[in-house]
Amino acid sequence: QVQLVQSGAEVKKPGASVKVSCKASGYTFTSYDINWVRQATGQGLEWMGWMNPNSGNTGYAQKFQGRVTMTRNTSISTAYMELSSLRSEDTAVYYCARGSKTPRRMDVWGKGTTVTVSS
Amino acid sequence: DIQMTQSPSTLSASVGDRVTITCRASQSISSWLAWYQQKPGKAPNLLIYKASSLESGVPSRFSGSGSGTEFTLTISSLQPDDFATYYCQQYNGSPWTFGQGTKVEIK
Repeated sequence: QVQLVQSGAEVKKPGASVKVSCKASGYTFTSYDINWVRQATGQGLEWMGWMNPNSGNTGYAQKFQGRVTMTRNTSISTAYMELSSLRSEDTAVYYCARGSKTPRRMDVWGKGTTVTVSS
Repeated sequence: DIQMTQSPSTLSASVGDRVTITCRASQSISSWLAWYQQKPGKAPNLLIYKASSLESGVPSRFSGSGSGTEFTLTISSLQPDDFATYYCQQYNGSPWTFGQGTKVEIK
């Protein structure tokens, strides 16, 4: 079945970087975008950006420009999201979500990766 | 950024009730709107896309309508499994943005 399996929880110190992975299975990885969405505890959802696994093209929300990098390894059908210069406000659950183009929607989500930023 | 505003923030209802949630966009987004259901500790689950298209596998008691700046999600007969938080999301312009959520509670 179609699924996105994310890496495990991370604990980081302020100023560090974190890299979260998202492994796709059950479909052709390069045929769908991967989006990243985060959610702080008890808060709403925040879209961070997207990546086209075929071309490697990316688009980031301005809020994260300069701090986020989305990459992929097509040989293992895995997308990555790296966030640098971490601060306490980055403590959240980070989700990857498949972006279908026809029709456009985020239709399959990973279970989420908890990132805690604490000194 | 396009602001998405949901109302109400919390809704108390009983099993069998008809429930309507409203989402307003700060500018026109055509029909590029999705609705998600989220339960505690779980990822969001897509219910509706392009304002009114039901995602495969989603019960037909869920429906969406609207275009431009005003949208609604309707649950025709609330079931026990439907108590959750619902989010709207626009994908007309970057950055994609979500509403603040509507929590549907048991009355």
